[in-house]
Amino acid sequence: QQQVKQSPQSLIVQKGGISIINCAYENTAFDYFPWYQQFPGKGPALLIAIRPDVSEKKEGRFTISFNKSAKQFSLHIMDSQPGDSATYFCAASIWGNTPLVFGKGTRLSVIA
Amino acid sequence: ETGVTQSPTHLIKTRGQQVTLRCSSQSGHNTVSWYQQALGQGPQFIFQYYREEENGRGNFPPRFSGLQFPNYSSELNVNALELDDSALYLCASSSGTGEGGNIQYFGAGTRLSVL
Repeated sequence: QQQVKQSPQSLIVQKGGISIINCAYENTAFDYFPWYQQFPGKGPALLIAIRPDVSEKKEGRFTISFNKSAKQFSLHIMDSQPGDSATYFCAASIWGNTPLVFGKGTRLSVIA
Repeated sequence: ETGVTQSPTHLIKTRGQQVTLRCSSQSGHNTVSWYQQALGQGPQFIFQYYREEENGRGNFPPRFSGLQFPNYSSELNVNALELDDSALYLCASSSGTGEGGNIQYFGAGTRLSVL
């Protein structure tokens, strides 16, 4: 049973455009939602995370939007750059040193 | 860099063999989690160790086992290797307590190929 569903599987965006990746979760006990970025040959690196007490969190060009009632959250990358080309994973867990449940990933390609 | 180091980086084994993967956690972190990432998939939780004790296990058979040492480094052992065990094995460490205790920092992984 997949507890975190991520879409799209792949995404091509023009340089300077907005990249949007969506995730939906099933377990209402989840209360920590991080996004990880992974480059080929590297491990996932934490990009940004949100908890359900806020509906949006912004760090630089990266924004998480969170909709608790719909059990959905999304990552927006503004002014997308070729260096952003990577695989992005959403994840969810119960706050308190518990394991992460990952989505299947989105391969983002930013073309000039 | 996260300060989480894994060894070896690549490994080739044959079906039925046994393998040991190693992970050194970030300084000050007492929790290590292991994940399996199949090609084109997201990481899947194998198990977690907190202060040398297993602290949770995912849906993996008993031939996947682990250890955590007093310095909080960890090993993942897989017995009776199967072709489907071919994957990237990731180790993540976290501090386990406080505001940032939930944040998991990943190593670069060990790529295991089973032939």
